[in-house]
Amino acid sequence: NAGVTQTPKFRILKIGQSMTLQCAQDMNHNYMYWYRQDPGMGLKLIYYSVGAGITDKGEVPNGYNVSRSTTEDFPLRLELAAPSQTSVYFCASLAGANVLTFGAGSRLTVL
Amino acid sequence: DQQVKQNSPSLSVQEGRISILNCDYTNSMFDYFLWYKKYPAEGPTFLISISSIKDKNEDGRFTVFLNKSAKHLSLHIVPSQPGDSAVYFCAEGSGGSNYKLTFGKGTLLTVNP
Repeated sequence: NAGVTQTPKFRILKIGQSMTLQCAQDMNHNYMYWYRQDPGMGLKLIYYSVGAGITDKGEVPNGYNVSRSTTEDFPLRLELAAPSQTSVYFCASLAGANVLTFGAGSRLTVL
Repeated sequence: DQQVKQNSPSLSVQEGRISILNCDYTNSMFDYFLWYKKYPAEGPTFLISISSIKDKNEDGRFTVFLNKSAKHLSLHIVPSQPGDSAVYFCAEGSGGSNYKLTFGKGTLLTVNP
């Protein structure tokens, strides 16, 4: 098992550009999550999904979109990137009764 | 308003001594509390959890204590090792079928040789 795989690891965007952060897991987990971490802050939930075809907003969803067409993949779309979206993004899946397993992160800079 | 508070941004201890990391919470309707460890440029990794019906859980050098009346939990690391140096996040798990984690801001632990 590769666990939770995120791509790209690093990306620099210009203001107004769009991009998709990819997340894939090979553990057949139903629940998946996107968090962002800003310096000195904890992880804040952007969106989550409890299964294919089902997504819901977290604490900070503005400026993002998600889709969940398969159990394995949970891409995060940034439309019209803004400097406030400069952050490290973590994807995770629910590995057991209560434990989330995280990917290595994607560092995004918007200039 | 923060649901999960880690009031100490950093903690420094000597190798071999005890490290105590603290966390306060406001939501009484949680299912679990979890501790994660995070090294630079890596994703958070699960360390230990405790369910709402327990007051202590132990795993090797790591013990988590839950005081529901005070809405406080702590992570004890004994003995501390230099490899324990990392950011530690406290997280509350709740939501039933919409289960998700709410994280504190983290505490940077430095264990000095």
